Amino acid sequence: GNSVTQMEGPVTLSEEAFLTINCTYTATGYPSLFWYVQYPGEGLQLLLKATKADDKGSNKGFEATYRKETTSFHLEKGSVQVSDSAVYFCALSPAQKLVFGQGTRLTINP
Amino acid sequence: DAGVIQSPRHEVTEMGQEVTLRCKPISGHDYLFWYRQTMMRGLELLIYFNNNVPIDDSGMPEDRFSAKMPNASFSTLKIQPSEPRDSAVYFCASSRGLSLRWFFGPGTRLTVL
Repeated sequence: GNSVTQMEGPVTLSEEAFLTINCTYTATGYPSLFWYVQYPGEGLQLLLKATKADDKGSNKGFEATYRKETTSFHLEKGSVQVSDSAVYFCALSPAQKLVFGQGTRLTINP
Repeated sequence: DAGVIQSPRHEVTEMGQEVTLRCKPISGHDYLFWYRQTMMRGLELLIYFNNNVPIDDSGMPEDRFSAKMPNASFSTLKIQPSEPRDSAVYFCASSRGLSLRWFFGPGTRLTVL
């Protein structure tokens, strides 16, 4: 079946620290991979995506590379800001629906 | 574009009562999804529609839950009777074709006492 496993949170960092949130997946076929972000009290927003192996998705300083050999899609950012505090979800799409990981709560302290 | 609209934003009800959650997808989108978010289970897909037809309802917890999409601009998720374990945030999302772009509503926070 299709599933996503995310690094357990919560994660707390200081401003300007380097961020990595791990994500691995199990899928039949070659799904597209996504990172969504949820700010407090809001719905989910697409952060970035990659549709095939070795693709790198990037947005707002965040990056993730689709690694077929390790079935991973880790999220990274070189220097986090307080405004990055949110819950981050890794997801895959084998077809028309999204399958989400558990989410990782990130808190950035000034 | 108004985005995906959900109502109500918050609902508090008593066990045994009927609850109806509403969703208006983005105009032109032909897929509509209902998700439930809880601390224990994360984000679960309950059901999704294509062109108003239910395609996959395997995530619907039990017969107490039902969903309809009478037209392209409106969908409902009904719980009857509601139970405390149904307390969660329910999200509606819509997408167009094979765009790989889903748009989520702000969610309805349901509390069943």
